Amino acid sequence: GESVGLHLPTLSVQEGDNSIINCAYSNSASDYFIWYKQESGKGPQFIIDIRSNMDKRQGQRVTVLLNKTVKHLSLQIAATQPGDSAVYFCAENWNSGNTPLVFGKGTRLSVIA
Amino acid sequence: GAVVSQHPSRVICKSGTSVKIECRSLDFQATTMFWYRQFPKKSLMLMATSNEGSKATYEQGVEKDKFLINHASLTLSTLTVTSAHPEDSSFYICSARDPSTASYNSPLHFGNGTRLTVT
Repeated sequence: GESVGLHLPTLSVQEGDNSIINCAYSNSASDYFIWYKQESGKGPQFIIDIRSNMDKRQGQRVTVLLNKTVKHLSLQIAATQPGDSAVYFCAENWNSGNTPLVFGKGTRLSVIA
Repeated sequence: GAVVSQHPSRVICKSGTSVKIECRSLDFQATTMFWYRQFPKKSLMLMATSNEGSKATYEQGVEKDKFLINHASLTLSTLTVTSAHPEDSSFYICSARDPSTASYNSPLHFGNGTRLTVT
């Protein structure tokens, strides 16, 4: 289940089950979205991205869904593995050019073996 | 491809001293690099945009005299935390885009971060 509090929200999932991590993004003008995975003590690693002209994009074991109406992004991980345990961040951008990403709050995924 | 390397990975310094963190793009040239800071159990917050050959652009609330950024070459940006205090203890992460896709709709590639502890 999911818990939200003063710390990062945590999603606990049984190994082999599917995970769904949600993100509410901030700017209705955003047209590029990206999911990162961050393991303890490391920098964020790119997982998958999506542009605003799409509402779904699939990768290997991962799917990103975009709902612009409610400014919502989700990351689905199929057949979750212990190695998927990490903090997941969504990020968005709305500016042209080589501009920075704005990160969401993050969700800790804990996989129970 | 598009590897970003940071050094050191960890540093402990005494209050009042300065610390330099290096960020290198290993297999591409980066005219722009972005420095983020991350406090424990928090998200990444943009500190500044580092521009090769010109002054860095700082986000609101980030003191440019405290966090000195130098982007002296197309593969190296440095962040110097001057007169460090315990509240500067944080995880500092740099990032850059592959220039072949350097538009806003492409991912940033991140270094592995530098854990700064000020005692």
